[in-house]
Amino acid sequence: SQQGEEDPQALSIQEGENATMNCSYKTSINNLQWYRQNSGRGLVHLILIRSNEREKHSGRLRVTLDTSKKSSSLLITASRAADTASYFCATVEFHSGGSNYKLTFGKGTLLTVNP
Amino acid sequence: KAGVTQTPRYLIKTRGQQVTLSCSPISGHRSVSWYQQTPGQGLQFLFEYFSETQRNKGNFPGRFSGRQFSNSRSEMNVSTLELGDSALYLCASSLRGIGTEAFFGQGTRLTVV
Repeated sequence: SQQGEEDPQALSIQEGENATMNCSYKTSINNLQWYRQNSGRGLVHLILIRSNEREKHSGRLRVTLDTSKKSSSLLITASRAADTASYFCATVEFHSGGSNYKLTFGKGTLLTVNP
Repeated sequence: KAGVTQTPRYLIKTRGQQVTLSCSPISGHRSVSWYQQTPGQGLQFLFEYFSETQRNKGNFPGRFSGRQFSNSRSEMNVSTLELGDSALYLCASSLRGIGTEAFFGQGTRLTVV
């Protein structure tokens, strides 16, 4: 089963509005990452938040992590048409059974920003 | 600085054949990881190589294998192709390995017919 589950699956907003996407996971993690993918630029790493961090900012992006609820959110402020893409969360957990780390992606949220 | 380069970009193969995909990481990056992306299963981690050694492995059958050369370039091989292997294969390079910031290539679109 999927470790990271994004919510909603799809989101459509107007340019200038804020977009919030959520990610829930099941097990203890080492860190959680957010990625963006569009057809033009492939998969791009946006931000990494460690399990001992609660909030991180990068430009118009704000990520929060609540390890007690096993959830994270990605907020994009003042969205632009160029933000139209699929957004994925990925969890990294230490996995002692054979490999060192287990990396699992969610199914993604498709964000459409209308001009 | 050149980004991650994957070749070829598109590939069509027949069931039962084998295929080799190539990935050249960013200069100085010793970690290369591979991912499979399909509409049904999403993005799945295949394996990671670091300094020519496989360091982490996902949950894929032994038909999927890889290697890394001394210049950090990596190849992924899939033997006895099945229709379900049709996917976008992505590779990523990073300084310290999976779980840290990674830079992805544009991917190789493999179609098995």
